[in-house]
Amino acid sequence: GQQVMQIPQYQHVQEGEDFTTYCNSSTTLSNIQWYKQRPGGHPVFLIQLVKSGEVKKQKRLTFQFGEAKKNSSLHITATQTTDVGTYFCAASNDYKLSFGAGTTVTVRA
Amino acid sequence: DTGVSQNPRHKITKRGQNVTFRCDPISEHNRLYWYRQTLGQGPEFLTYFQNEAQLEKSRLLSDRFSAERPKGSFSTLEIQRTEQGDSAMYLCASSEVGRGPQHFGDGTRLSIL
Repeated sequence: GQQVMQIPQYQHVQEGEDFTTYCNSSTTLSNIQWYKQRPGGHPVFLIQLVKSGEVKKQKRLTFQFGEAKKNSSLHITATQTTDVGTYFCAASNDYKLSFGAGTTVTVRA
Repeated sequence: DTGVSQNPRHKITKRGQNVTFRCDPISEHNRLYWYRQTLGQGPEFLTYFQNEAQLEKSRLLSDRFSAERPKGSFSTLEIQRTEQGDSAMYLCASSEVGRGPQHFGDGTRLSIL
């Protein structure tokens, strides 16, 4: 199946700073989804990217799909304590999600 | 708005015992998925149903695991003769047909003594 690698595994951010997490695949992806899992919670869908070079924004979150559809990124500006959690990218075929290992974000107030 | 419901939330059992988990998906969703998640990892796909038909099983799903969705609504996941390595969070998700978002339940955390 499709495998995606995420970096970094951990991201420690000062409140108010920006950061980016990356998702990479060795194969071309048909689409990619991003999920957020709060500590003790379940994955919650954030966004789906389908088109080459696609950029989507959700308030302080910017998601990008690479031109070759082999990588994706999530950029968060002005990090807040509510951004704490693990962010997963997942390669999607018709039915199955193949998740990366996630980037776990902690925020220093 | 009723989301995906899973029970029990926690299950502690002795090695060798059988356990069964239940998942109630969002009512209008045709597809239901089971995933397993261990600490520090993303969810791993186990199996999925479209209506009552089980359409794929991962190689992770040994013959000790069985899943059913008898009427195309709720689903059960049974693990027979549990082993230490079965300790994990078992997540259920549901979706409409297609490549849209999957909606996850809170999971059942299984601990094997």
